[in-house]
Amino acid sequence: AQSVTQLGSHVSVSEGALVLLRCNYSSSVPPYLFWYVQYPNQGLQLLLKYTSAATLVKGINGFEAEFKKSETSFHLTKPSAHMSDAAEYFCAVSEGTGFQKLVFGTGTRLLVSP
Amino acid sequence: EAQVTQNPRYLITVTGKKLTVTCSQNMNHEYMSWYRQDPGLGLRQIYYSMNVEATDKGDVPEGYKVSRKEKRNFPLILESPSPNQTSLYFCASSPGLAGRETQYFGPGTRLLVL
Repeated sequence: AQSVTQLGSHVSVSEGALVLLRCNYSSSVPPYLFWYVQYPNQGLQLLLKYTSAATLVKGINGFEAEFKKSETSFHLTKPSAHMSDAAEYFCAVSEGTGFQKLVFGTGTRLLVSP
Repeated sequence: EAQVTQNPRYLITVTGKKLTVTCSQNMNHEYMSWYRQDPGLGLRQIYYSMNVEATDKGDVPEGYKVSRKEKRNFPLILESPSPNQTSLYFCASSPGLAGRETQYFGPGTRLLVL
């Protein structure tokens, strides 16, 4: 079965610093991979997704992620953190060949300090 | 405005008292889904629907029911709520399969079962 592991339930950075949120997946078939963001008291919204086209995927708000098949990773990065990036981030992988479901990771809360 | 709405946003109830959480989308999406979010567990799918009168179990369906009589609505029913169903619930919709398409999430319903 497909699964997602997000390393670090909390990540703290200073404003202007690099953001790196880690995601490793397991999948027996070529996956679709997603990063969703949840701002306080809101639902989730899509940051970016990998659909087997380019391995480097650019998303909204300056975020990007690189699909590395050899490492089964899909880490999320942003060169310079902003206070408004403070949120919870979820990595998700499609389940199976039917693509009927997503399997979510447990989430990483990003804290940004001035 | 394209959106997914949920009602109520907050609900406190007692064990055994039947309740319904409504979900409606105005994007003509075929696929709808219910998730629950619990600390340290991420999002887990309860039920999903691929179209009218087509529903299926997700990963944690016990204690929940759903129906899809109209394309836009996908209510979640707890016939006899128990304290372990205290959680944050999200409804989501997408134009196609959740494992391939962007999902659009509602704002969430926070449920407390006493």
